[in-house]
Amino acid sequence: DAGVTQSPTHLIKTRGQQVTLRCSPKSGHDTVSWYQQALGQGPQFIFQYYEEEERQRGNFPDRFSGHQFPNYSSELNVNALLLGDSALYLCASSSPGTVRANVLTFGAGSRLTVL
Amino acid sequence: DQQVKQNSPSLSVQEGRISILNCDYTNSMFDYFLWYKKYPAEGPTFLISISSIKDKNEDGRFTVFLNKSAKHLSLHIVPSQPGDSAVYFCAAEETSGSRLTFGEGTQLTVNP
Repeated sequence: DAGVTQSPTHLIKTRGQQVTLRCSPKSGHDTVSWYQQALGQGPQFIFQYYEEEERQRGNFPDRFSGHQFPNYSSELNVNALLLGDSALYLCASSSPGTVRANVLTFGAGSRLTVL
Repeated sequence: DQQVKQNSPSLSVQEGRISILNCDYTNSMFDYFLWYKKYPAEGPTFLISISSIKDKNEDGRFTVFLNKSAKHLSLHIVPSQPGDSAVYFCAAEETSGSRLTFGEGTQLTVNP
């Protein structure tokens, strides 16, 4: 049973560019959340998608946007990249009907470096 | 505003001894607390959790203690094993649900 898969695993961009990160949830999960983990910090909540809609959003600027597809997979888009966007981006999925976050399954993450 | 804090960036213990990892929080709306373990190049994996209506939860070698009045929780690992070496994150969730607030993490090293 495949868990949460993310792509790409690593990527390098330059300031001002745009990036798209992808996530396939664990089989049977319908809710996807995205977290940003900067070096030496804990993961920070970006937003959560359920039924193709953004259900909750953390304290991130509008440069961060997302999408969920009918097959429950999700994308995270970041526009106008800044050096401070360099981080590990984690995707997490959860089971149908769950509202509480405490059943999250995390992927291994996408490591973004902005030069 | 760091609502969940892990003040020890690292902890080193001998195999077989107890590991105690600590976590403090400030938000009174948190009602569910979790510990995640993270190995390099892997995503965080759920370890153990506790509801705010309890003060202790045990699962094998892992026990989490919650002191609501002090807004403090701790994770005890007994006995510690070299395979426990990882970064441990404390996380908390508000009553409204849907998102986790994480601490900065503690790197645990268990020496053989």
